[in-house]
Amino acid sequence: DGGITQSPKYLFRKEGQNVTLSCEQNLNHDAMYWYRQDPGQGLRLIYYSQIVNDFQKGDIAEGYSVSREKKESFPLTVTSAQKNPTAFYLCASSSSTGNTEAFFGQGTRLTVV
Amino acid sequence: LAKTTQPISMDSYEGQEVNITCSHNNIATNDYITWYQQFPSQGPRFIIQGYKTKVTNEVASLFIPADRKSSTLSLPRVSLSDTAVYYCLVGDMGPGGYNKLIFGAGTRLAVHP
Repeated sequence: DGGITQSPKYLFRKEGQNVTLSCEQNLNHDAMYWYRQDPGQGLRLIYYSQIVNDFQKGDIAEGYSVSREKKESFPLTVTSAQKNPTAFYLCASSSSTGNTEAFFGQGTRLTVV
Repeated sequence: LAKTTQPISMDSYEGQEVNITCSHNNIATNDYITWYQQFPSQGPRFIIQGYKTKVTNEVASLFIPADRKSSTLSLPRVSLSDTAVYYCLVGDMGPGGYNKLIFGAGTRLAVHP
């Protein structure tokens, strides 16, 4: 089945630790995105990438880092510099620049204690 | 910041038609209008996309007036399972001409028995 996969679904970490969230797609999409969602709020864009080895900061990039070494993969690292990392993280992909039809993963709920 | 404005919430009853309007006064000539649905603890799901006039699929209809400064998502005969958050998006070009896919706060639709 074609789709976009995020893992794990739930993640717990201690404060001060870096943690990496996985996002893989087999849709052959060029564009990939990471969002953060807090309870009762909309989605906020963290980073986005349109091609391999290139990515751009979104609205709330501070405390996060990404890489795009392969077309299929766009991992997100939540660093210890992120002041409030507990949230629901969503990854998405779309076929090309300018296409606003995106496909989302099921999300990773990160809890930092 | 999102380029769209939607009502924060709406209430409806089973079997009624629901219309959710989105304002996008600064829509660019090349922008499409895209609507998503999100259930709790899930990623958003693409519903419908249009450029002008009317688009209909098995789930919803999208009405876009000639000036394209607003759009209306129409859900026919809603059921309890249509209770969700609905987001309206238009293009939002970032550096390099890449589309950022910025989500606003969305409209929380509650369908009552």
